[in-house]
Amino acid sequence: NAGVMQNPRHLVRRRGQEARLRCSPVKGHSHVYWYRQLPEEGLKFMVYLQKENIIDESGMPKERFSAEFPKEGPSILRIQQVVRGDSAAYFCASSLDGRVGGQPQHFGDGTRLSIL
Amino acid sequence: AQTVTQSQPEMSVQEAETVTLSCTYDTSESDYYLFWYKQPPSRQMILVIRQEAYKQQNATENRFSVNFQKAAKSFSLKISDSQLGDAAMYFCAYRSAFAGAGSYQLTFGKGTKLSVIP
Repeated sequence: NAGVMQNPRHLVRRRGQEARLRCSPVKGHSHVYWYRQLPEEGLKFMVYLQKENIIDESGMPKERFSAEFPKEGPSILRIQQVVRGDSAAYFCASSLDGRVGGQPQHFGDGTRLSIL
Repeated sequence: AQTVTQSQPEMSVQEAETVTLSCTYDTSESDYYLFWYKQPPSRQMILVIRQEAYKQQNATENRFSVNFQKAAKSFSLKISDSQLGDAAMYFCAYRSAFAGAGSYQLTFGKGTKLSVIP
């Protein structure tokens, strides 16, 4: 399966710990998007990255959250000092190009983050 | 900012019957893209169908079709010959066709949970 790969599928952390979520896009895709889904809600955009660049982080909380998409390796969404409210499903999507409205975004299976 | 509204939190349909899921959106833009995504219990997000606002013709994909009413800002999904595997959450989503901050993101509705009755 050459789709978007996210790991881990489930992640449990205690309050105050760090969470790292990984996303490998579809082979050949260089545009990555992260979304968060709270229970009973639709997905909410967090950040859009191209290789080595953050293009739009308008949906990402200003503190404790960061994202990167290095030249080599997967995209990483990092949450520092996690709190209960960070419990959610985090989805990564990728697209072939970033031209506005161009190729559709293909989603991974998500990472379900639970904070104890 | 654009908003997407799905007014039906839950729907049910008999197997082999047809069901229509509603979606309305609010935007001041003239060009954009609309999508329906399916999320089964496995939580994977699967693209069902895509519509480009400047196209008059309604998109179809096998048993799935849309009724796109641009003036009314309505984008409903029709599922024909419903199957048990169609049971899932269905999300309507909007994406701008213009460059600019916030235009790369998909804006989702809250979803409609579809149950298929054998």
